Amino acid sequence: QVQLQESGPGLVKPWGTLSLTCAVSGGPISSNHWWSWVRQSPGKGLEWIGEIYHSGSTNYNPSLKSRVTISVDKSKNQFSLKLTSVTAADTAIYYCVRIVVLPAEVLSGMDVWGQGTTVTVSS
Amino acid sequence: QSVLTQPPSASGTPGQRVTISCSGSSSNIGSNYVYWYQQLPVTAPKLLIYTNDQRPSGVPDRFSGSKSGTSASLAISGLRSEDEASYYCAAWDDSLSGWVFGGGTKLTVL
Repeated sequence: QVQLQESGPGLVKPWGTLSLTCAVSGGPISSNHWWSWVRQSPGKGLEWIGEIYHSGSTNYNPSLKSRVTISVDKSKNQFSLKLTSVTAADTAIYYCVRIVVLPAEVLSGMDVWGQGTTVTVSS
Repeated sequence: QSVLTQPPSASGTPGQRVTISCSGSSSNIGSNYVYWYQQLPVTAPKLLIYTNDQRPSGVPDRFSGSKSGTSASLAISGLRSEDEASYYCAAWDDSLSGWVFGGGTKLTVL
C-alpha cells in the first residue's frame, strides 16, 4: 500500500521560495507512475501544479511554469516541489499525488494522495 | 475560472438520485478520459471514478460516471448522509499539456 507524506516549512515569506518534499513509502518511486503536486487555496477548488516521471520528464501548469521546478530523488524515494517568487496567492494546502500508468498508456487518475500540508505566505 | 465547468452546488434527500455535470471542450473531455474525485470536509480528495466510468476498488456501485462528447456526469444513487462532500471532475487537456479540474460541486444531503 503506497503512502505519500508531504513535508516542508508551513510559513514562507513573500517573494521567497516554497520548498516541499513528498516521501513515498510502500513502493518504489521508479515504477510506471507519474508523481504530481496539486494545491487548494483556502475555500477554493483544486489546482494542478505539475508532475514528474522517475526518468525526470516533467509537465507543468502553464500558469505556474515560470516559477515551478519538480524534481525526483530515486535514492531517497521522494520527489520535491520548488515554487519561487511566492505571494499571498500561493497560500494553500499542497498535496502530493500518484498517477499510475495503466496498460495502453491509460492513466489511472490521482489514486493516492498525501494528507496535505498547509503553506502560508506571509511576512 | 476553471477550465471545466461544474455547478457550484447540488442537493438531494436520502435515497434520492442526484447527478453532477461537468462541461469541457474538445481539448480535454472531448478527447481524453474524465476522472471524478470526492473530498469530504477537511480531508484529501479521493479518486471516485477513473477513465469515465470505472470505479476503484472499494467505491460503492451507487456512484457511476458517464461521458458524452465534451460533457461528463457523475450520478449518485441511494443518496446517503455520508455522501455530503465536494465533488470535482478532472481531465487531461491537450492544449495546456496538463491536468485541469472543475471548480467543484458541493453536495448537500437534506
